[in-house]
Amino acid sequence: GENVEQHPSTLSVQEGDSAVIKCTYSDSASNYFPWYKQELGKGPQLIIDIRSNVGEKKDQRIAVTLNKTAKHFSLHITETQPEDSAVYFCAARLSGGSYIPTFGRGTSLIVHP
Amino acid sequence: GAVVSQHPSRVICKSGTSVKIECRSLDFQATTMFWYRQFPKQSLMLMATSNEGSKATYEQGVEKDKFLINHASLTLSTLTVTSAHPEDSSFYICSARDERIGAFFGQGTRLTVV
Repeated sequence: GENVEQHPSTLSVQEGDSAVIKCTYSDSASNYFPWYKQELGKGPQLIIDIRSNVGEKKDQRIAVTLNKTAKHFSLHITETQPEDSAVYFCAARLSGGSYIPTFGRGTSLIVHP
Repeated sequence: GAVVSQHPSRVICKSGTSVKIECRSLDFQATTMFWYRQFPKQSLMLMATSNEGSKATYEQGVEKDKFLINHASLTLSTLTVTSAHPEDSSFYICSARDERIGAFFGQGTRLTVV
């Protein structure tokens, strides 16, 4: 099955700095890669996603890049703000069949004011 | 985006009792719903997948007689933790999927068994 590795497990940055979270996946058949933000005591919320036919996608301060050859994808957050502090999960989904994503272990992002 | 409502957000129950958690898709029809369990500072662990009108498919190691899942309609799935014990205390999260728009998570339920 699919295996998703996520790094780092914790990331501490100063307000205004950029933050980068990286994930690798094992199954080249995966074609959909969502990123979720989970605030304390809440369910994960989809913040951005990318499909395998696209190399990069941007939405205001967040962007995701995908390297299919190397089987890795990254989340980039620019001009970080304290409210960006949360746990971020990457996921990868196999093509076809039911939607059962495989999640990374999560990255705890702390943005210091 | 699509809204998935999960209730209750927190519940405390006595050991030996049963607890029901509801997951509703408010503005779309969910052909498939997923139930996850999350331990502190860990990722989401898929417990089971349910399709409307059929029996849930449980992941290996998840007791189907303990975690009863009902997906009676395209907008509602329930997870019942039967004869709860302290080790069942956890954060439970549902996810509802519409094939056209994707999958979305509920707010989660913090279960504490005392």
